[in-house]
Amino acid sequence: AQKVTQAQTEISVVEKEDVTLDCVYETRDTTYYLFWYKQPPSGELVFLIRRNSFDEQNEISGRYSWNFQKSTSSFNFTITASQVVDSAVYFCALSARRGSTLGRLYFGRGTQLTVWP
Amino acid sequence: DAEITQSPRHKITETGRQVTLACHQTWNHNNMFWYRQDLGHGLRLIHYSYGVQDTNKGEVSDGYSVSRSNTEDLPLTLESAASSQTSVYFCASSKGAIHRNTEAFFGQGTRLTVV
Repeated sequence: AQKVTQAQTEISVVEKEDVTLDCVYETRDTTYYLFWYKQPPSGELVFLIRRNSFDEQNEISGRYSWNFQKSTSSFNFTITASQVVDSAVYFCALSARRGSTLGRLYFGRGTQLTVWP
Repeated sequence: DAEITQSPRHKITETGRQVTLACHQTWNHNNMFWYRQDLGHGLRLIHYSYGVQDTNKGEVSDGYSVSRSNTEDLPLTLESAASSQTSVYFCASSKGAIHRNTEAFFGQGTRLTVV
């Protein structure tokens, strides 16, 4: 069974603070994929990153960075020097490989991030 | 540009009516999914399809049905709308074969209110 846990329901920070959103996952599959999506107040789901289970390299994209640790089944997301525009709900998701295809996504419940000016 | 579109974006319906939400993608993706989003629950899978004529139930499929007669469309039908089905519905699609940039693309969402 697949499961994603985002223990932080809501986080509030002041602009320019760094913030880390936690994501812990459970799966018995050896090949799987982890995702982060952003949902701004406008409601659409914006893809941020995908990480394969066989690639544990951390990734940095501008102010965003992701820390993938298989040993702790975690895929945490850090925003450096947060900005008001980062205010959104962030979802972590997991998908297992289904044969040669990408299976369905299992989502965490999301973390509401509010960045105050 | 290829895209995934949902219609309508907003709908209000009465309890007991049949409602169909449309989802259309132009990427020629094999995989299509329907999720509902509710406060405190994140996104939960309703139904999904891995190709034409293939449909599968997700964890919250009661009261919903889908059909996949072509690659581009996966309409979601609420057989007899209930107030508990008031929610935001998202359709998603992904390529059949995994490659480096595989991801799931989401539609803009449909906000459904059952009164």
